[in-house]
Amino acid sequence: QVQLVQSGAEVKKPGSSVKVSCKASGGTFSSYAISWVRQAPGQGLEWMGGIIPIFGTANYAQKFQGRVTITADESTSTAYMELSSLRSEDTAVYYCAKRGGYNSAPFDYWGQGTLVTVSS
Amino acid sequence: EIVLTQSPATLSLSPGERATLSCGASQSVSSNYLAWYQQKPGLAPRLVIYDASSRATGIPDRFSGSGSGTDFTLTINRLEPEDFAVYYCQQYGSSLTFGGGTKVEIK
Repeated sequence: QVQLVQSGAEVKKPGSSVKVSCKASGGTFSSYAISWVRQAPGQGLEWMGGIIPIFGTANYAQKFQGRVTITADESTSTAYMELSSLRSEDTAVYYCAKRGGYNSAPFDYWGQGTLVTVSS
Repeated sequence: EIVLTQSPATLSLSPGERATLSCGASQSVSSNYLAWYQQKPGLAPRLVIYDASSRATGIPDRFSGSGSGTDFTLTINRLEPEDFAVYYCQQYGSSLTFGGGTKVEIK
């Protein structure tokens, strides 16, 4: 059974950066396709980007290009999402999610979510 | 980018009734790579339907998905109390995008 456990809530100042982690267990991490999805308060789901650790390269939604960096550490089975130049509109719950395959697959497992609050 | 539009925004129904949720795509979804997720307050989304019509593991058979191309439907027969939630469609055939969600609430 795959489990994704995320790091705890963060409070950040505008203009700063945040790095959220997602530790996987119960499978072969390097073969996963891990994505990050965010949800602003009372709003819908928004895909930010993803990575396949065995390949190493990440791809990003155009909206977040240049501001988000997704990485993975195979030695610790952990994926990371770093978002820079934070603004109040980035206040959201950030989820990591595993796809059922490399491509053309939905998200079959999700982390519990990490609330990031951006406030001065 | 494929834009997904869900309707209605809110569906008010009673337990035991049928829910019909719609998801329209701005262009054809490749190979009908369309999923539906259920989300309850404070929890992560849960996969319900994938590939437009296949039920995910553990999902009861009162949930069914249909459609192809640009028009997709999630049907929930005989609503149970635990089915009241927000439902999102997602396409994963061309990058990844989500619809805005439909809230199924108790009437």
